[in-house]
Amino acid sequence: EPEVTQTPSHQVTQMGQEVILRCVPISNHLYFYWYRQILGQKVEFLVSFYNNEISEKSEIFDDQFSVERPDGSNFTLKIRSTKLEDSAMYFCASSVTHSNQPQHFGDGTRLSIL
Amino acid sequence: TQLLEQSPQFLSIQEGENLTVYCNSSSVFSSLQWYRQEPGEGPVLLVTVVTGGEVKKLKRLTFQFGDARKDSSLHITAAQPGDTGLYLCAASGGTSYGKLTFGQGTILTVHP
Repeated sequence: EPEVTQTPSHQVTQMGQEVILRCVPISNHLYFYWYRQILGQKVEFLVSFYNNEISEKSEIFDDQFSVERPDGSNFTLKIRSTKLEDSAMYFCASSVTHSNQPQHFGDGTRLSIL
Repeated sequence: TQLLEQSPQFLSIQEGENLTVYCNSSSVFSSLQWYRQEPGEGPVLLVTVVTGGEVKKLKRLTFQFGDARKDSSLHITAAQPGDTGLYLCAASGGTSYGKLTFGQGTILTVHP
């Protein structure tokens, strides 16, 4: 069964450094998402992406964050200058459409900011 | 801001017992999804419900979407130790581009 893959599984970065999290969505899916889950808290929406544009973003997704689909398969989340509070699990998800269609999640990248 | 309240937060039962997990909101949702998440892994989709009053069954799991599309329940019959895990409900509203709002999750432990 097709699945969403994320790399790396764990990323350790010094505060202030840039980090890029990578995702390969399911191949026939058109909508892509990033969520994060701080330890012990709910999964939170960050951003949705369709047709090479951001469709919606949360208040968490400030100017330090950016997303890109650099080629036909990868979908990336960049955090420009990481802060301690960016430490979390980051999940990528994809869906065929945005309307009432299930989202399929990757196994996440654990980001640890030192 | 749409909120999704999930209860109970923790559930510890014996093998063979039945249980129900609830997911409630004051908002109307266009669809609701139930996921199961294992430690160190991403949420795995169990079911999507779209129509008010809809009931879906997945082996011993029964999912229901409320008539007003503001609430949902997950019922497990004759729970087994393999059902142990974190269960999450997540809903999307009609005006958002698929943004999912998650409940806080229910940690289920089924003792042999």
